Amino acid sequence: GNSVTQMEGPVTLSEEAFLTINCTYTATGYPSLFWYVQYPGEGLQLLLKATKADDKGSNKGFEATYRKETTSFHLEKGSVQVSDSAVYFCALNDYKLSFGAGTTVTVRA
Amino acid sequence: EPEVTQTPSHQVTQMGQEVILRCVPISNHLYFYWYRQILGQKVEFLVSFYNNEISEKSEIFDDQFSVERPDGSNFTLKIRSTKLEDSAMYFCASSEELAGHNEQFFGPGTRLTVL
Repeated sequence: GNSVTQMEGPVTLSEEAFLTINCTYTATGYPSLFWYVQYPGEGLQLLLKATKADDKGSNKGFEATYRKETTSFHLEKGSVQVSDSAVYFCALNDYKLSFGAGTTVTVRA
Repeated sequence: EPEVTQTPSHQVTQMGQEVILRCVPISNHLYFYWYRQILGQKVEFLVSFYNNEISEKSEIFDDQFSVERPDGSNFTLKIRSTKLEDSAMYFCASSEELAGHNEQFFGPGTRLTVL
């Protein structure tokens, strides 16, 4: 079946550091790929998505590119802020979402 | 901005009791979902619902679970006889369409604790 493997945390960074969270997937067909973010005390929010190979999703300075050849969808941000502290989930959508384990990111001032 | 709401935020119950978790999806959405996250584990799909029927369910969604849209706004998840292992965060989600590229909008979750 479909599955997502995500880099486990926790990850602790200083402000303005570069963030990468690795995500790889196993799927039949070509599902859409998503990154969701969960801020403390809140629900899951869509951060960005890509619906086909080579698509790049971007939002709030975060980017991820759908790489079919490596079955990956790594999340990157060039300069993190304290407000980026959250749990990040990679997911694929084949009419239901299959999530990775989540990566807790803490950004220190 | 429209949002999915869930009540209660935290539910504590005794093993063997029935619980009903409530969700109000975004008003023009047609597809509804329940997911759960056991502490320290992945968010897992439970069930999807459309046109007053279950569209798909996972292995987790056994006979102890049921879903219902009792009126035009609420979407509920019932667990008939709770077990200790049902303790988890339960998330409701909704989407406009079923298509795989569509975003699912999530509620803040209900934390269920079974004692």
